[in-house]
Amino acid sequence: EDQVTQSPEALRLQEGESSSLNCSYTVSGLRGLFWYRQDPGKGPEFLFTLYSAGEEKEKERLKATLTKKESFLHITAPKPEDSATYLCAVSSPDYKLSFGAGTTVTVRA
Amino acid sequence: DTEVTQTPKHLVMGMTNKKSLKCEQHMGHRAMYWYKQKAKKPPELMFVYSYEKLSINESVPSRFSPECPNSSLLNLHLHALQPEDSALYLCASSPRQQGPLETQYFGPGTRLLVL
Repeated sequence: EDQVTQSPEALRLQEGESSSLNCSYTVSGLRGLFWYRQDPGKGPEFLFTLYSAGEEKEKERLKATLTKKESFLHITAPKPEDSATYLCAVSSPDYKLSFGAGTTVTVRA
Repeated sequence: DTEVTQTPKHLVMGMTNKKSLKCEQHMGHRAMYWYKQKAKKPPELMFVYSYEKLSINESVPSRFSPECPNSSLLNLHLHALQPEDSALYLCASSPRQQGPLETQYFGPGTRLLVL
């Protein structure tokens, strides 16, 4: 069974203080790794899909990278509006997503 | 446009009530999903419909009954729920044409409270 572990559980940052979130996974064969952002009481918002080790994708202040065993979500010079829970998920052959527990990021002005 | 809509946004129901949650997408996606999310937990898959047919039921209690009337609509019928069923119910859709790499797009969710 696929397993996804995210760390840290919570991250408090000062505005402009760059940091990274970790997503480690144990899968029988990686099909795809997904990053989502979720604001309180709302549905997850798609950020990135990664498939190959060494792959990198960027969107504004966010950059996602993938190795054979983990993925990192780097937040560069965060702003208060980047405060959210960031979810990592891996896909299985039957299209099921296995989510990690998430990292809740709080950015203080 | 990657919009999935859900109604209602909020729902309060008693344990003897019957209610339905609705989900709609107009992206031409052929897979639709229901998830349940409790506070501070990740989404948990409940059901998957692929080409309007139920393909996955994650051992969900029969008081939850999904329905896919057509390729754009997904319903979740609720009956005799328990207070522990209170949660955020999320609908998602995906193309079903790109293999396991394809992205699931989520709706805003329905916040359900069972009294």
